[in-house]
Amino acid sequence: AQSVTQLGSHVSVSEGALVLLRCNYSSSVPPYLFWYVQYPNQGLQLLLKYTSAATLVKGINGFEAEFKKSETSFHLTKPSAHMSDAAEYFCAGANNAGNMLTFGGGTRLMVKP
Amino acid sequence: DAMVIQNPRYQVTQFGKPVTLSCSQTLNHNVMYWYQQKSSQAPKLLFHYYDKDFNNEADTPDNFQSRRPNTSFCFLDIRSPGLGDAAMYLCATSRVRGPYEQYFGPGTRLTVT
Repeated sequence: AQSVTQLGSHVSVSEGALVLLRCNYSSSVPPYLFWYVQYPNQGLQLLLKYTSAATLVKGINGFEAEFKKSETSFHLTKPSAHMSDAAEYFCAGANNAGNMLTFGGGTRLMVKP
Repeated sequence: DAMVIQNPRYQVTQFGKPVTLSCSQTLNHNVMYWYQQKSSQAPKLLFHYYDKDFNNEADTPDNFQSRRPNTSFCFLDIRSPGLGDAAMYLCATSRVRGPYEQYFGPGTRLTVT
């Protein structure tokens, strides 16, 4: 069974600093991986997805993530945090057997001025 | 713009009083999902439809029912809401079942008094 783990339920960075949100997956088959962002009282918005093409995936709002099979990781990064990046971020995975999304526990990103 | 719409955005109901939440989509996607999300938690899948094929998660309480009268609309019925059912309810769609990204609506925040 696939599982997705997000290290750190809360991450705090200063405005302009690097954002790094960690996601690890466990799977016996190559996974499909997604990062979603959720602002307060909103639904989830897709930031980016990995579907076994390029290992470095660029998404919206300046975010990118790198799929590293050797580390079973799909960490999300952004070079310079903005105040507007403060939100909850969810990593999710799916396998190619048609199963549903498996979500990580979420990471709340706080951006300090 | 094609989208997933949820109404109402905020719903207050009384303990034990049936309530219906609605979701519509203009994406013409085959699959529609209902998630329950409690505070500071990841979304939890309740059930999904692949066209008219209904799929219930094993741990979804019988108190939760769903209807999908056509491709565009899907309803979540809570027959006798309890205090523990207060949550954000998210509707999502995807093109086909499986490892494709899901598109989320803005959610309905349910309060049970």
